[in-house]
Amino acid sequence: DVKVTQSSRYLVKRTGEKVFLECVQDMDHENMFWYRQDPGLGLRLIYFSYDVKMKEKGDIPEGYSVSREKKERFSLILESASTNQTSMYLCASRKQGISYEQYFGPGTRLTVT
Amino acid sequence: AQSVSQHNHHVILSEAASLELGCNYSYGGTVNLFWYVQYPGQHLQLLLKYFSGDPLVKGIKGFEAEFIKSKFSFNLRKPSVQWSDTAEYFCAVNPPTSGTYKYIFGTGTRLKVLA
Repeated sequence: DVKVTQSSRYLVKRTGEKVFLECVQDMDHENMFWYRQDPGLGLRLIYFSYDVKMKEKGDIPEGYSVSREKKERFSLILESASTNQTSMYLCASRKQGISYEQYFGPGTRLTVT
Repeated sequence: AQSVSQHNHHVILSEAASLELGCNYSYGGTVNLFWYVQYPGQHLQLLLKYFSGDPLVKGIKGFEAEFIKSKFSFNLRKPSVQWSDTAEYFCAVNPPTSGTYKYIFGTGTRLKVLA
C-alpha cells in the first residue's frame, strides 16, 4: 500500500513566520506535488517535482517555495506566512509515466493568524 | 484556458436513490480522467480512472463513470447510494500534453446522503 504522510495535521502560525510543511512517501515515486484545497475552489497546484532536485511551478506558486533533496521527501516552504495562506495543504505522489494516478496524504490544515 | 467543470456543487439524496455527478473538461485530444473521493476527515482516494479502451469504467464501491468524447464529459454514476457515500467528489483531468505531470481538478461536489 502506498503511504504518503505529512508532518502535521494541524498547524497554527503567525503572520510573517517561515513555515515548513513536510511530505514523505514510501513507494519510490518519482513525482511529487503540493496542492492547496479551499472550499469552492477545489485543488490548486502550487508546485510539483518530477524527480530529485527538480521542481516546476504550478498554478499558484507565489509566496511558496519547495525543496526536494531526497526522492521520498518533498517540502513546501512559506517564506513569510500571510493570512491568505490559511488553507488545507495536500501532498501527493505518483509513479512516473502516463498511466499512473496520484496518491494523497492526509493534509495539513494551516491557520495563519 | 484549461478547465474542469463540476456543475453540481452540493447534492442531497436519500439512501437508495441513483446518483449522477457531472464533469466536463475543456481539452481537445486524448486525456486521462479520474474521479477522487474525500470522505469526512479522510484523505483523497481514487474512485476510478480512464486512460483508454472501454469508455464505461467501473471503480470501487459500486461507482462507474462514462467517458463521452463528443461531449467532453466524464460523469460519475451509482445506481443506489448509501449513507456511507456522503463525501466530496472531485473530477480530475491529466492532459498528456502537460507532460504527464499536471492534473487539473474540478471544484468538487459535496454529496450528502440522508439515511
